[in-house]
Amino acid sequence: DTGVSQDPRHKITKRGQNVTFRCDPISEHNRLYWYRQTLGQGPEFLTYFQNEAQLEKSRLLSDRFSAERPKGSFSTLEIQRTEQGDSAMYLCASSLGTATNEKLFFGSGTQLSVL
Amino acid sequence: AQSVAQPEDQVNVAEGNPLTVKCTYSVSGNPYLFWYVQYPNRGLQFLLKYITGDNLVKGSYGFEAEFNKSQTSFHLKKPSALVSDSALYFCAVRDSGGYNKLIFGAGTRLAVHP
Repeated sequence: DTGVSQDPRHKITKRGQNVTFRCDPISEHNRLYWYRQTLGQGPEFLTYFQNEAQLEKSRLLSDRFSAERPKGSFSTLEIQRTEQGDSAMYLCASSLGTATNEKLFFGSGTQLSVL
Repeated sequence: AQSVAQPEDQVNVAEGNPLTVKCTYSVSGNPYLFWYVQYPNRGLQFLLKYITGDNLVKGSYGFEAEFNKSQTSFHLKKPSALVSDSALYFCAVRDSGGYNKLIFGAGTRLAVHP
């Protein structure tokens, strides 16, 4: 299976610690998205990359959050000084092409618990 | 602002019966609408999309959705439900700001009983 993979699957951390998540998109996909999903809610957009360029960031993404996609391949999402409100499922998705409205392929997510 | 609403938290259906999962939308301009499904411990999977054209859209696993502009709805349907259809279903609309960013509804849990 060459789908979107995310690592780790689960992360438990103490408040104030830094955490980093990794996403490996489908290899030929040039677009990469990060979403956050809390219990009982749909995914909320966090940020978008086209190749290595970060083209959009949600207002949900405070200055404690940073995302990178070096060389337009894998991506990392770092959260500094974690807070309990950061506890959520962090989803990565990728897609191919320049046309709008193509479907997104999602990874299984990283479940973050901040104690 | 673009938004979607899924008015039902949960839908219960007997196996073999038809199912409907409801979605209404609010957009400026033409809507680009999607349905995704989330199985336990799995990522969201694309089911179908409406961009333009025929109001009845067919998708994966026997699902279809009906676009109704006058009612601003995009309900997901299946003629005969399977127990394996039990999952969390999300309606989404493409944000008019571009980049194919999706705005998701809160989700509807479908439970199909044998």
